[in-house]
Amino acid sequence: EAGVAQSPRYKIIEKRQSVAFWCNPISGHATLYWYQQILGQGPKLLIQFQNNGVVDDSQLPKDRFSAERLKGVDSTLKIQPAKLEDSAVYLCASSPGQGAWETQYFGPGTRLLVL
Amino acid sequence: GQSLEQPSEVTAVEGAIVQINCTYQTSGFYGLSWYQQHDGGAPTFLSYNALDGLEETGRFSSFLSRSDSYGYLLLQELQMKDSASYFCAVRQPRGGKLIFGQGTELSVKP
Repeated sequence: EAGVAQSPRYKIIEKRQSVAFWCNPISGHATLYWYQQILGQGPKLLIQFQNNGVVDDSQLPKDRFSAERLKGVDSTLKIQPAKLEDSAVYLCASSPGQGAWETQYFGPGTRLLVL
Repeated sequence: GQSLEQPSEVTAVEGAIVQINCTYQTSGFYGLSWYQQHDGGAPTFLSYNALDGLEETGRFSSFLSRSDSYGYLLLQELQMKDSASYFCAVRQPRGGKLIFGQGTELSVKP
């Protein structure tokens, strides 16, 4: 089966610009996660969707970050405006959505550099 | 607060056994997961413990003691390809949210 797809793989922008990332989860997976991974650290959850509803967005900086999953399949994460400290890898993951014990499957990530 | 502690770096030789420890302090706990991440790659699932004891999957084993808020990942018969970062992650009861540690960079030398 195809894995989690993300695009673009790399993005370089200047501070105060906007950027958007796209994620297509594994087919049939109801739960979708966006993580931010700063160099040398573990992934930090930004937002979790169950189908097209938000389960957890407690660590999403809502003044500049937004995410949507309109049809319960693919998702976009947007940063507007970007700051230098947003430089990180943005990882999308998905899981079937049957229960809290499930494995999460990660995409290759989008590497963002803010200059 | 939520915190997970693991060593930042571990070095071992090919063929050896290495143990990566993880202690956690979180407001909720459903289980402890371990993920492997090669440089520039995606995290991939290795193991999961919901109950106390040892789980074995091939060369990798993981242990959990809920009373001690402690777990470890044991890698046997180390191979060069095992050089990677290893993350412990606490699974939260609601929604399956993962809280990751800072990661342990394992270097396997010939």
